[in-house]
This record gives sequence, structure tokens and C-alpha cells, in this order.
Amino acid sequence: AQSVTQLDSQVPVFEEAPVELRCNYSSSVSVYLFWYVQYPNQGLQLLLKYLSGSTLVKGINGFEAEFNKSQTSFHLRKPSVHISDTAEYFCAVRVRSGGGADGLTFGKGTHLIIQP
Amino acid sequence: EPEVTQTPSHQVTQMGQEVILRCVPISNHLYFYWYRQILGQKVEFLVSFYNNEISEKSEIFDDQFSVERPDGSNFTLKIRSTKLEDSAMYFCASSNRQGSASGYTFGSGTRLTVV
Repeated sequence: AQSVTQLDSQVPVFEEAPVELRCNYSSSVSVYLFWYVQYPNQGLQLLLKYLSGSTLVKGINGFEAEFNKSQTSFHLRKPSVHISDTAEYFCAVRVRSGGGADGLTFGKGTHLIIQP
Repeated sequence: EPEVTQTPSHQVTQMGQEVILRCVPISNHLYFYWYRQILGQKVEFLVSFYNNEISEKSEIFDDQFSVERPDGSNFTLKIRSTKLEDSAMYFCASSNRQGSASGYTFGSGTRLTVV
């Protein structure tokens, strides 16, 4: 079975400062990796995903993440945050198997708080 | 942009009652999912559905839960006899296999409150 660890439950950052949200995973098989964002009272929106190829993945809203296989990490970064980035961020994994049926395993989420 | 639609957005039910949560996935998607998020906790996988049958289910998805695709557009989650601990946000999602993994499109969720 796979698991996802998001060590930081809450990350306060000043506006226009850079931010990194950490994600580590464990799995006995190869996985696909995802970051989702949840704005207050809304559903989950895909920020970016790593399937294969380049380990640096760029997503929406200026976010990017880097897959590090040796460290089993997929940290999310943004060079300059905005007030509107205040949200809950979830890292998720899914095993690389045939078909699209396998469910996602989520981390507990990191609440990003942008301070003016 | 195509959306996954969930209704109702909020449902309150008495313990022991049956509830049906409804979802309209994206029309050309083939795989359908239910997830739940208990307040303050992580999102948990419940079940996946493909070709009119359950593909995978988690330990949470016990005999009290069932899913159905009654017609070509709706995908429902039924909880037969609700318990207090079923109170959570329930998310529907759909995806379309295109030769490799893809992200899922989630709905905005139904907040179920069992009293």
C-alpha cells in the first residue's frame, strides 16, 4: 500500500514571499503524483501532476513541483505567493497500473496562509 | 470547461435514515469515484466504478454503502442507514483513461450532516 506524508499542517507566509509545501510518499511500486488545491467551500482542483519525463512539473497559478525519486518527495513551490493562494493543498499518489480505476491516496493537507 | 456536478450541496439527515448523493460526471469520462473528507481530516478514497461495476473499494466502503449509475449521466452513492460518523464532505470525481494516468476532475462536494 502507498502512503503520503505532508509534515506541515499549516504554513504561514507573507505575501510575495516564496513558499514550499512538502510532500513525501512511500510505495512499493511506481506511482503517479498529484497536487490538488481546495479553496474554502469548494471542491478539489488539480494544480499539477507528475506522470513521467521531466522531474520538474509546472502547473496552474504559477506553482511547480519537483519529483525526487531517491528522496521519494514531490514538494510544491511558488516563487511569489498572493493572498488568493490561501487554501488547503493536498498531495496525492496513485499506483502506476493498467487502467484508470485505481483510487488516489491523499496526504492530510497543508493549509497555506498568506499574510499581508 | 467541463465540470462534475454534485447535488445537493448540503444535506442533513437523521441517524438511521437512507441518503442518496448524486453526481453528474463529465460526459465522456469512463471512470467514476467517490471520496469523503471528514471535517479536519484528509480526503479518503471510497470506491471506483467502471463499466457498470465497482472496480475498487476501500475498507470504509462497507455494506452500508452502494453505488449506481442508473442512467447514462448520473452516478449515485447511497448510504443505507446513516451513522453520526458518516458526517463528512463527499466528493465525486471522474476521469478518462487516455493510455496513461490522468488527473481526476472533482465536483464541489456534498456536505452530509447526520444528526
